[in-house]
Amino acid sequence: GQSLEQPSEVTAVEGAIVQINCTYQTSGFYGLSWYQQHDGGAPTFLSYNALDGLEETGRFSSFLSRSDSYGYLLLQELQMKDSASYFCAVRDHSGGFKTIFGAGTRLFVKA
Amino acid sequence: NAGVTQTPKFQVLKTGQSMTLQCAQDMNHEYMSWYRQDPGMGLRLIHYSVGAGITDQGEVPNGYNVSRSTTEDFPLRLLSAAPSQTSVYFCASSTRDEQFFGPGTRLTVL
Repeated sequence: GQSLEQPSEVTAVEGAIVQINCTYQTSGFYGLSWYQQHDGGAPTFLSYNALDGLEETGRFSSFLSRSDSYGYLLLQELQMKDSASYFCAVRDHSGGFKTIFGAGTRLFVKA
Repeated sequence: NAGVTQTPKFQVLKTGQSMTLQCAQDMNHEYMSWYRQDPGMGLRLIHYSVGAGITDQGEVPNGYNVSRSTTEDFPLRLLSAAPSQTSVYFCASSTRDEQFFGPGTRLTVL
């Protein structure tokens, strides 16, 4: 099967940098992605890593180490609107081609 | 493009009733999935499809059926609703890298 672990909550100050870690276990790893979800809304895509290294998209960056089964999402210049839940998700091709989500990290940004 | 649409937005059922949650996408994606999300939790995969005529079970398939007769549509059927199926249901269609989610259906089973 598959499993993902990420912290349940993170609190940071506006303007700061925060890192949300994700470790995973899967037999058919294809890629790691990150999604943001505001209360009452649907998840929206942030980034995807299939290869080791850092991917940067504006204030958000995502890192993957396949050998360590580990990735993180880095949010810079935090804004109040970044307060949301963040999910890591594994794209897995063992027994099918599916995406499994972690339980999510609730980010609170304080003024 | 409408993206991914889901109907209804809200639904209340009585235990034992059946219903179908509708999902449609206009992006010509082969991959589609159904997830449920319980309060304060992540998304759990119910069923998924890698193309018309092909479906497979996810993490929590019991009590749900799916079919995929066209690329566009991927309905989810609740066979005999139970209170444990009270949840928010999200449909998604995806490329290899990115999933696009519908707005969700909030289902309450009494």
